Amino acid sequence: DSGVTQTPKHLITATGQRVTLRCSPRSGDLSVYWYQQSLDQGLQFLIQYYNGEERAKGNILERFSAQQFPDLHSELNLSSLELGDSALYFCASSPPRRTGELFFGEGSRLTVL
Amino acid sequence: TQLLEQSPQFLSIQEGENLTVYCNSSSVFSSLQWYRQEPGEGPVLLVTVVTGGEVKKLKRLTFQFGDARKDSSLHITAAQPGDTGLYLCAGASDSNYQLIWGAGTKLIIKP
Repeated sequence: DSGVTQTPKHLITATGQRVTLRCSPRSGDLSVYWYQQSLDQGLQFLIQYYNGEERAKGNILERFSAQQFPDLHSELNLSSLELGDSALYFCASSPPRRTGELFFGEGSRLTVL
Repeated sequence: TQLLEQSPQFLSIQEGENLTVYCNSSSVFSSLQWYRQEPGEGPVLLVTVVTGGEVKKLKRLTFQFGDARKDSSLHITAAQPGDTGLYLCAGASDSNYQLIWGAGTKLIIKP
């Protein structure tokens, strides 16, 4: 158990819909990262937040948005969903010291039909 | 643009064999991490190496960071079916908050 909690674990929805994925980081971690992993692919970095503020942006589509709340939990909003958005979405958190180590949640598997 | 090239992409071997996975870059990293990911689960950190030439051992797994901190290798001795998974390397640099990820090595150990 990494200490990072993600909900929901599975989500099935239709094209054009909007979903929200939620992440609670490990206790004491200020940074939250969101990654997308399509079938048999590597990890694609989407976005990072640090203590409520956006720190870095990766290959995140304009249809996607995220935020980190004062209690440090984060939400990833995916809208106007397309078939190609079907993937595993991982949240990770990292400790305040900058070693780069990430601790991942178990992921949210999104299926768009 | 920083890149981490990981090889091989796929490896299927018999239980008991040895193997090495490589992670190479033209960029210098302040630290490099190895993760293992099992199907349907999140990556789990195995090790972090920070010093050029550093060697770390985790049971049958040996991790090495290149002298110039541009490359790393993961060697597994006497592989077992429980070693099956996707192995990912990721590099961190002082100038970039983002990790640079390799594409991963899918390892299958057949009993």
